[in-house]
Amino acid sequence: SSELTQDPAVSVALGQTVRITCQGDSLRSYYASWYQQKPGQAPVLVIFAKNNRPSGIPDRFSGSNSGNTASLTITGAQAEDEADYYCNSRDSSGNHPFGAGTKVTVL
Amino acid sequence: EVQLVQSGAEVKKPGESLKISCKGSGYSFTSYWIGWVRQMPGKGLEWMGIIYPGDSDTRYSPSFHGQVTISADKSISTAYLQWSSLKASDTAMYYCARHLVSSNYYYGMDVWGQGTTVTVSS
Repeated sequence: SSELTQDPAVSVALGQTVRITCQGDSLRSYYASWYQQKPGQAPVLVIFAKNNRPSGIPDRFSGSNSGNTASLTITGAQAEDEADYYCNSRDSSGNHPFGAGTKVTVL
Repeated sequence: EVQLVQSGAEVKKPGESLKISCKGSGYSFTSYWIGWVRQMPGKGLEWMGIIYPGDSDTRYSPSFHGQVTISADKSISTAYLQWSSLKASDTAMYYCARHLVSSNYYYGMDVWGQGTTVTVSS
């Protein structure tokens, strides 16, 4: 199955830690990548290949993987981290589906 | 600077055809897969398909196969997304994105275009 499942929304107090999860069978074979999207903007890659950050992404963003579950953790969440976060991977058919997205609210 | 620059917003009527573009610069355009992603108003990201401009190898999501055509002109470093007969349900933002993928790995979409808004209305 190529489906990736994410929780619709999570909230985190300013400066605290939040973890967003993504579940899917394809994650047993391929790493997840994670994207941040703020209103009116294009998505931005924040984590790839389990726990790698592109240049310019703060080190408070980290990723992990276990079995069929990938996680994105924001340690010390900032107001500017409020956004939608999408996981994405590859399946055995060569498709690259996204999860439905998780809305992160920073309180 | 590596970037993808998309064509401008479009307003079309149902049944009309449309081709939007995505021009790459700052890197070897023929060496990376380029894909398209749809985002309907207020909704999430949907992967549509990808093309390898080096040899025009193209893959489609089952949801979009037969609904759109993805192509590329490597001589001008440009990828395209095309509709032959638009529907109101095609109204969305469309993004192009460079894919880091091979037969053995997938490292995600590292460069994105700014998006092209397509509005289909009678």
